[in-house]
Amino acid sequence: GAVVSQHPSWVICKSGTSVKIECRSLDFQATTMFWYRQFPKQSLMLMATSNEGSKATYEQGVEKDKFLINHASLTLSTLTVTSAHPEDSSFYICSAIQDSPYEQYFGPGTRLTVT
Amino acid sequence: DAKTTQPPSMDCAEGRAANLPCNHSTISGNEYVYWYRQIHSQGPQYIIHGLKNNETNEMASLIITEDRKSSTLILPHATLRDTAVYYCIVRVGGSQGNLIFGKGTKLSVKP
Repeated sequence: GAVVSQHPSWVICKSGTSVKIECRSLDFQATTMFWYRQFPKQSLMLMATSNEGSKATYEQGVEKDKFLINHASLTLSTLTVTSAHPEDSSFYICSAIQDSPYEQYFGPGTRLTVT
Repeated sequence: DAKTTQPPSMDCAEGRAANLPCNHSTISGNEYVYWYRQIHSQGPQYIIHGLKNNETNEMASLIITEDRKSSTLILPHATLRDTAVYYCIVRVGGSQGNLIFGKGTKLSVKP
């Protein structure tokens, strides 16, 4: 099946700094990618939809100036958490839709800890 | 909001079939039912999906009721490695729609 990778798999950063997470579709092109966030013992919450070459669409309650999404190519989307705070500590997961048959594949996730 | 309802947890004996139910009474005619699972601290893994017919693949079978208001995921011979949270999802927005996750069912396979 199609493979989606994320880098880094985990990261620890200090409060106030910015962190960039990469999401790559390794063996297919993805016009659309999604970013999710998952807090401990909770389900995945959709943060934003990323379309190649256009601005991301953010879900209600997600600050677009804090969570910067760039989808510059058909195989790469990045999520930058700006001015991170401890409450941003979470498991961030991306997914990508393979164009035809439009199945959605998930990355392994990135564990962010803000100290 | 998720359009599905699942029991929060289930147990299954190793080697036995695991039957995971899901209610989706408000599903629309062109919306697919998807099943994913998430093993602890990993990304969700696709299992199977269907529209109205029953489906089977190497991982599982999906039984959808005739009125499409509910479905059951069947793992025919559960192993300890099948212990995970299983999510039943109704995909909205067509073929490129996103997946809205509910709370899922925590399946514990016991020896």
